[in-house]
Amino acid sequence: EDQVTQSPEALRLQEGESSSLNCSYTVSGLRGLFWYRQDPGKGPEFLFTLYSAGEEKEKERLKATLTKKESFLHITAPKPEDSATYLCAVQEGGTSYGKLTFGQGTILTVHP
Amino acid sequence: ETGVTQTPRHLVMGMTNKKSLKCEQHLGHNAMYWYKQSAKKPLELMFVYSLEERVENNSVPSRFSPECPNSSHLFLHLHTLQPEDSALYLCASSRLDRAGGYTFGSGTRLTVV
Repeated sequence: EDQVTQSPEALRLQEGESSSLNCSYTVSGLRGLFWYRQDPGKGPEFLFTLYSAGEEKEKERLKATLTKKESFLHITAPKPEDSATYLCAVQEGGTSYGKLTFGQGTILTVHP
Repeated sequence: ETGVTQTPRHLVMGMTNKKSLKCEQHLGHNAMYWYKQSAKKPLELMFVYSLEERVENNSVPSRFSPECPNSSHLFLHLHTLQPEDSALYLCASSRLDRAGGYTFGSGTRLTVV
């Protein structure tokens, strides 16, 4: 069974203080690993897809990386508007509909 | 607006009521999903419709009944719910023939009293 574990559960940063979020996974035949951002009371918003070990994607202050066992979401010089819950999900290649299995998320709070 | 619209945004219902949640997408996607999100728990997959056919029912109690009349619309019919069913219910859609994630709606916040 696919498993996704995110750490830490919560992270508090000062504005400008860079850090990383971790997503460890176990999946049979990885089709893709996804990062989403979720603001309170809203649905998850897509950030990145990573398909193979060694791949990296960047968007503004965020950079996602992937190895065979885990993914990191690096946040460089965060701002208060980066505060949100960050979700990681894996998609296995064995199902016809591309089932996503999610981690429990990391709640990021950035203080001014 | 993500392209996936859920209504209502908030719903309060008694345990004996019957209500329905609605999801609509016009992204040309051919798979639709219902997820349940409870506090401090990962998103739980409830139902999957692929090409309008239900392909997964993830051990969901029968008081939740999905319906997918066409590739653009998805419903979740609710009856005799329990207080522990209070949660954020999220609808998502995707394209089966393309690698990629889901597009989510904003969710329905359900409170069962």
